[in-house]
Amino acid sequence: KQEVTQIPAALSVPEGENLVLNCSFTDSAIYNLQWFRQDPGKGLTSLLLIQSSQREQTSGRLNASLDKSSGRSTLYIAASQPGDSATYLCAVDTGANSKLTFGKGITLSVRP
Amino acid sequence: NAGVTQTPKFRVLKTGQSMTLLCAQDMNHEYMYWYRQDPGMGLRLIHYSVGEGTTAKGEVPDGYNVSRLKKQNFLLGLESAAPSQTSVYFCASSYSGVYYGYTFGSGTRLTVV
Repeated sequence: KQEVTQIPAALSVPEGENLVLNCSFTDSAIYNLQWFRQDPGKGLTSLLLIQSSQREQTSGRLNASLDKSSGRSTLYIAASQPGDSATYLCAVDTGANSKLTFGKGITLSVRP
Repeated sequence: NAGVTQTPKFRVLKTGQSMTLLCAQDMNHEYMYWYRQDPGMGLRLIHYSVGEGTTAKGEVPDGYNVSRLKKQNFLLGLESAAPSQTSVYFCASSYSGVYYGYTFGSGTRLTVV
């Protein structure tokens, strides 16, 4: 059974810092990995989707990498801003009807 | 672009009552999913559908039923609500195949008292 782990559960950083959020998964036989952002009381917004054949994806200040063999993904946020404060979830798709398995998320707080 | 729309956004039920949550998508997606999100548990899949007229069980299906009579709609039913079903429910949809990501609705916050 696929398990997705995100550690730590919470992170607080000062504004302007570059930071890395980690995600690990137990079964490397994935089709893709998706990073989401969730604001308090809101739904999930897709940030980046990395196919199994890709190593990384970039969108603005965000860069996500994928290392299937080691079962790891990282989300890099450059020059963090208070508006980046949210919970970040990663999820993997093992291809069985595209059901996603989610990590529990990392709650990020960026201090002004 | 509406995307994925969930109704209602909030609901309070008494134990034993029934209700239906509606999810509607306008992106012609084949796949639709219902998840619940609980503190400390993350998102867990309740039921899903890979096309009109099909449904299948996810990780935590007990106490819920679903129907996909139209491609754009996916309904989640609670026949006899229990306090353990207090949660935030999210609907999501996706194109078929593994090259596409998910689009989520904004959620339904359900409290069973």
